[in-house]
Parts: sequence; C-alpha cells; structure tokens
Amino acid sequence: DSGVTQTPKHLITATGQRVTLRCSPRSGDLSVYWYQQSLDQGLQFLIHYYNGEERAKGNILERFSAQQFPDLHSELNLSSLELGDSALYFCASSRDVWREGETQYFGPGTRLLVL
Amino acid sequence: AQSVTQLDSHVSVSEGTPVLLRCNYSSSYSPSLFWYVQHPNKGLQLLLKYTSAATLVKGINGFEAEFKKSETSFHLTKPSAHMSDAAEYFCVVSDGGYQKVTFGIGTKLQVIP
Repeated sequence: DSGVTQTPKHLITATGQRVTLRCSPRSGDLSVYWYQQSLDQGLQFLIHYYNGEERAKGNILERFSAQQFPDLHSELNLSSLELGDSALYFCASSRDVWREGETQYFGPGTRLLVL
Repeated sequence: AQSVTQLDSHVSVSEGTPVLLRCNYSSSYSPSLFWYVQHPNKGLQLLLKYTSAATLVKGINGFEAEFKKSETSFHLTKPSAHMSDAAEYFCVVSDGGYQKVTFGIGTKLQVIP
C-alpha cells in the first residue's frame, strides 16, 4: 500500500458526460501528479500540482482539468467524454517537486469506461 | 527533450533463470532513471532509482540496474526469476530541466514454471 488513495475504483459513464476523479496524496506529500494509462498510448503524464499550484502540463486535453485543494487532495475533471477517454487514471504523489531522487508513489488507479 | 525506449514489449523466461529487461534513454540533462513494476490490476510500485550516485543500483525483490552513460542504457536484471515477478515493468526518465517524467511503453514479463 503506497499511502495514495484514489476514488472511485471503477467508473462507467456515457459519452458526453462529465466525471470527477479524486486523489488523496500520502501524508506530508505536497506534489500530486495525474497519469492516463491506455492500451494504445501507454502511460502518459497529464499534469502536476505542487502545494495547490499547477507546475507542469503534459498531454492533457482541453476537456480535462485538475485542481489541488488546500488540504492537498486533488481532483481530475473529465468533460465531454469520448469513447477514447476510457483508460486507467493514476494519481501519484511525492514529498516535493519531481527532481533528482524524488520518488513518486502511485495510487491504485481509477478505471474509467466510457460507453 | 527526453525520451525512453524499452526495447522489448514482451519477455518470457523460465522460473529460476536470469531476467534482462532493456531500457535506453535520451536526455538533455543528467537524468534520474527509475524502474517501476505493475502487477495486474494494481498501481505502480517503485523497484529502484538512479540519481547520479552509484551506477549500479540495487532495488527490491532482488532486482538491480546499471546506469551506462556511454550506452545511454539502464537495463533491469535479476539473477533468478520467480513466478511472482510476472508483471509489467516500466522504465522512467526524469529530466532535471523539466517538471515532468516520461514513461516507456512497458515490458510484460512472463515467467514459465
């Protein structure tokens, strides 16, 4: 158990809908990272927040947004969902920003299925 | 820019034989390199990491990796495979100049009894 929690574990929804994925980092970790894992694209970095502020963006679609709250939990919002958004979404956390030696601890993921 | 290439998408070994999972990287800076393992329906777990200290890095469960700058490689090895090693393995590079990381496509390790 990494100490990172994600809810829900599974989510089934329809195209055009909007969903929110939630992540609680390990106690004391200030950084939260979101990743998308799909069969055709592999594991892709989406976005990084540090202590409530966005620090880096990866391959995140404009339909997707995230935020990190004062209690350091984070939410990933996915809107106007398409079939291709079906994937496993991981959250990871680290003590500080990603730098030399900093380890990211991954949550168990949220499996999203868009029908 | 940074990139990582895992040279094999699938590797199959017999239980008790050595494991070699290959990873090559490119980076504009001195990289940090990681290997993560993902068991079926589980999150990713850190196996080991290289951060410009010793070039031979020992990780959990008997795995180790050697950083070879001249070859831009960071191959993962284990002397003797165990059935519980069957999983998917990801090589990861973090470029000190960026606030993001790049994952390889993953190598699925099959261990045959």
